[in-house]
Amino acid sequence: AQSVTQLGSHVSVSEGALVLLRCNYSSSVPPYLFWYVQYPNQGLQLLLKYTTGATLVKGINGFEAEFKKSETSFHLTKPSAHMSDAAEYFCAVTSNTGNQFYFGTGTSLTVIP
Amino acid sequence: DAGVTQSPTHLIKTRGQQVTLRCSPKSGHDTVSWYQQALGQGPQFIFQYYEEEERQRGNFPDRFSGHQFPNYSSELNVNALLLGDSALYLCASSLAGGNWDEQFFGPGTRLTVL
Repeated sequence: AQSVTQLGSHVSVSEGALVLLRCNYSSSVPPYLFWYVQYPNQGLQLLLKYTTGATLVKGINGFEAEFKKSETSFHLTKPSAHMSDAAEYFCAVTSNTGNQFYFGTGTSLTVIP
Repeated sequence: DAGVTQSPTHLIKTRGQQVTLRCSPKSGHDTVSWYQQALGQGPQFIFQYYEEEERQRGNFPDRFSGHQFPNYSSELNVNALLLGDSALYLCASSLAGGNWDEQFFGPGTRLTVL
């Protein structure tokens, strides 16, 4: 079975501050891990993904995430928050043989000017 | 490229009614997946269609059914609507049947059941 847990349903940061959104996963097989962003009244947009290879993954809009197998984590970071980063962020997991795609419950990011 | 499109944008139904939601995949994609996103929750996988057949299914009752057409577009049908079916329904398309590696999501259909 696979699942993801996102710690903190709401995160607030000041503009220019570090963004850290936490995601821990559970998987009995090598996972594929994803971060998606959802703006109000819109669908989901892929930020970045880890399948195999380099554990530090860079995505769009300056975001990156590091796959840490020993910690079963895939936290999302951005060095400097921008007002336009305010949105809902979802972590998701599957595998190369997975028959489902599992999302976390999401983290709402607020950026304070 | 129009990307993934869904219709209608919003829909209001009453309990017990039936609803059909539609999805057109991104050009060149042959696989369509459907998700239910309740308010304040993450999307939950309903099922996936590939080659006009249901390929995978999540933990949803048989009231939820679907169809994929030869042009790869898809429909989601929900019978005997319950209040709890109120949600944003997302469609995602991908390439090469069952490949989770990259899904493209549509904007969703917001269903309200009264």
